[in-house]
Amino acid sequence: NAGVTQTPKFRILKIGQSMTLQCTQDMNHNYMYWYRQDPGMGLKLIYYSVGAGITDKGEVPNGYNVSRSTTEDFPLRLELAAPSQTSVYFCASSPQGGEKLFFGSGTQLSVL
Amino acid sequence: RKEVEQDPGPFNVPEGATVAFNCTYSNSASQSFFWYRQDCRKEPKLLMSVYSSGNEDGRFTAQLNRASQYISLLIRDSKLSDSATYLCVVNGGADSWGKFQFGAGTQVVVTP
Repeated sequence: NAGVTQTPKFRILKIGQSMTLQCTQDMNHNYMYWYRQDPGMGLKLIYYSVGAGITDKGEVPNGYNVSRSTTEDFPLRLELAAPSQTSVYFCASSPQGGEKLFFGSGTQLSVL
Repeated sequence: RKEVEQDPGPFNVPEGATVAFNCTYSNSASQSFFWYRQDCRKEPKLLMSVYSSGNEDGRFTAQLNRASQYISLLIRDSKLSDSATYLCVVNGGADSWGKFQFGAGTQVVVTP
């Protein structure tokens, strides 16, 4: 019962570096999401996808890119990392849009 | 105004006591509502969905008041293990289906 798997769990980047956060789900869910959570704040939606080949921006998409080539995978790409991107990132999936979310264990990212 | 607002707390609750707190939401077209539990920056986990008629799951009772646009969570007979941050999550209306809005969370601390 893997559910939603995120890698890596921790990462430190230097300003200007790039990286990809991986997210895979094995539940055949259509909807997938990327959120970031800053200390003392609620989760903010970065990007989401309603199915393979379809992605859309959330509240805070600047500095990020996503792709959804398969139902299972929804990687998040950070280009030119900035200190403002220091956060905890959560990937989530849902069978349909209004149903409960299943979360990955999160990635703690620091940009120094 | 934030889309979903919660009292951040902390609510300090003696073991065995009852605690209740609310969450207000701004989008009157919102369709689905949830309470999630989050422990110390780990991934949120679904506590319960909130139904129009109100619902109970063991010691936890959730209510929805559409007229006043708030949901509530009541915890009876509090256990030490109930110490966590409780996130209110609201699914958007017809124009934002599948885009969940998160509150910043209400911290509950259960003391011996």
